[in-house]
Amino acid sequence: DVKVTQSSRYLVKRTGEKVFLECVQDMDHENMFWYRQDPGLGLRLIYFSYDVKMKEKGDIPEGYSVSREKKERFSLILESASTNQTSMYLCASSSFVWTEAFFGQGTRLTVV
Amino acid sequence: DAKTTQPTSMDCAEGRAANLPCNHSTISGNEYVYWYRQIHSQGPQYIIHGLKNNETNEMASLIITEDRKSSTLILPHATLRDTAVYYCIVRANNAGNMLTFGGGTRLMVKP
Repeated sequence: DVKVTQSSRYLVKRTGEKVFLECVQDMDHENMFWYRQDPGLGLRLIYFSYDVKMKEKGDIPEGYSVSREKKERFSLILESASTNQTSMYLCASSSFVWTEAFFGQGTRLTVV
Repeated sequence: DAKTTQPTSMDCAEGRAANLPCNHSTISGNEYVYWYRQIHSQGPQYIIHGLKNNETNEMASLIITEDRKSSTLILPHATLRDTAVYYCIVRANNAGNMLTFGGGTRLMVKP
């Protein structure tokens, strides 16, 4: 059974904290994605990685960075969390020339 | 990637077919049509995809017009569990392409 696992389902952090959201996939996929989802705004792509140590900015990269040191793991980093980063964060993976992407269950992050 | 246009919301009676339209008039020859859905509080789930021909799997059927400028996702016998947001995406299968979502259609299946 294919799996994309996000480290936390719910997370509460304080303004200014450094936050790590972790995503692991067990399908040996090359592509990995980070999205955020907000009411009325749909799914927006933050960052995309197509290989280890490779990354591309998505539609809304500001305030975020990513790390992909190993093929199976893609981390989203909020260097200094702010309240406007309160959101649902979704990770996905797909093979290099893919037909479908697989999503994790999401992390609901609240920044207070 | 080509832009898609979908109705914001639709209703369907339980047990009836749900037909979800999608316009993609600027689709390129190498772009596929994909459908995903997102049930509340879950990550999106792949449903089906196609290039030119109609496709069917255990979840749904995909009808693509001959000019490829629009398509329809058909859920043949909608159930309450099909209530979700349905996303139509057009995308080439080139290696390394991003995956971006539009607004989708919120389908409400009613008893």
